[in-house]
Amino acid sequence: DQQVKQNSPSLRVQEGRISILNCDYTNSMFDYFLWYKKYPAEGPTFLISISSIKDKNEDGRFTVFLNKSAKHLSLHIVPSQPGDSAVYFCAAPPRSNYKLTFGKGTLLTVNP
Amino acid sequence: EAQVTQNPRYLITVTGKKLTVTCSQNMNHEYMSWYRQDPGLGLRQIYYSMNVEVTDKGDVPEGYKVSRKEKRNFPLILESPSPNQTSLYFCASSFGMNTEAFFGQGTRLTVV
Repeated sequence: DQQVKQNSPSLRVQEGRISILNCDYTNSMFDYFLWYKKYPAEGPTFLISISSIKDKNEDGRFTVFLNKSAKHLSLHIVPSQPGDSAVYFCAAPPRSNYKLTFGKGTLLTVNP
Repeated sequence: EAQVTQNPRYLITVTGKKLTVTCSQNMNHEYMSWYRQDPGLGLRQIYYSMNVEVTDKGDVPEGYKVSRKEKRNFPLILESPSPNQTSLYFCASSFGMNTEAFFGQGTRLTVV
């Protein structure tokens, strides 16, 4: 039973426009959510996180929104750049251990 | 430079021949974990460790062993590799459960 789900395997946007990547979760016992970006042939790198006590966290072009009632979070990238083209994973560690759960990822392609 | 180092980066082996993938971090992190990445399945956690001599199973531990004798090292052991363990493996470390994880560059393993 996958507790963190990314239902869109891919997303294609035009440079300069907004990219919105979505993630749903089923377990209310998550206190934090994290987003990672992964380029081919590299390990994932941390992008941004959000605590469950907040509904928004912003870092430059990247903003993560958390809707606890819908058990949904989204990552907004504005404006999108070709260098943002990568696979994006959302992840959540449960409260009591480090059994970190990742979504399956969304491949973002930003066209010049 | 803060980093997680995995070795080897590429490995081709035969079924049943024991192998070890090493992982070392220089950030004095408490938490370390191993993941495998497969097409369409995203990142799945194999094992994690919350401190020296403290390890536990992730989502896909079958066929793998780990040990944490020192804080900096967390090797992944395949006692009898099988073709279904052909995958891309990542080691990661973090300071805490809810903090960003730093990933190694990955080890591409092929078992024939």
